Amino acid sequence: KAGVTQTPRYLIKTRGQQVTLSCSPISGHRSVSWYQQTPGQGLQFLFEYFSETQRNKGNFPGRFSGRQFSNSRSEMNVSTLELGDSALYLCASSYSGGTNEQFFGPGTRLTVL
Amino acid sequence: KQEVTQIPAALSVPEGENLVLNCSFTDSAIYNLQWFRQDPGKGLTSLLLIQSSQREQTSGRLNASLDKSSGRSTLYIAASQPGDSATYLCAVKGRSGYSTLTFGKGTMLLVSP
Repeated sequence: KAGVTQTPRYLIKTRGQQVTLSCSPISGHRSVSWYQQTPGQGLQFLFEYFSETQRNKGNFPGRFSGRQFSNSRSEMNVSTLELGDSALYLCASSYSGGTNEQFFGPGTRLTVL
Repeated sequence: KQEVTQIPAALSVPEGENLVLNCSFTDSAIYNLQWFRQDPGKGLTSLLLIQSSQREQTSGRLNASLDKSSGRSTLYIAASQPGDSATYLCAVKGRSGYSTLTFGKGTMLLVSP
């Protein structure tokens, strides 16, 4: 069974631009969560989608948004990029969330110049 | 608000040693606790998942315990090997917030040959 895949793996953008990251969950998994990882803050929850609906959202500004498609694939978008958005963005999938084990993808490394 | 602390932040041991990594959390109302491994610049690999009703889980040389009442978990690694060198992260799933995991900052482990 293929694992969680994320594209692209690396991105370099400049301040003010916007970016879209993609995540394909494990086949059969319907819950997709997004996390931001930085050296200073560690791993922080961004949002979670289940059956195309956002179920939970972390404490991030409205510049961070996401969506989920009918095939459970998810995208997250960051608009008006800031230097502080440089981070590793990780996607996790699980069967239905809740008590289910979560499986993480390799991440997308975003660098904002 | 749930807070997760991992001690020590870094650990260096010679090959063959048995070692214990510690994780503590402030809110004992959890669904489960998950231990992950992260290699530099990579995503997270799930090692063990302990449901709130369980006391421990074992996988190969790894054993994780959970004491929900005291808000503590330990990850025991037997007969450490250089390939075990990585950052180990502990994450708890609270009883609200669907799939949201709250992570500790991790323990960076270096096993020397």
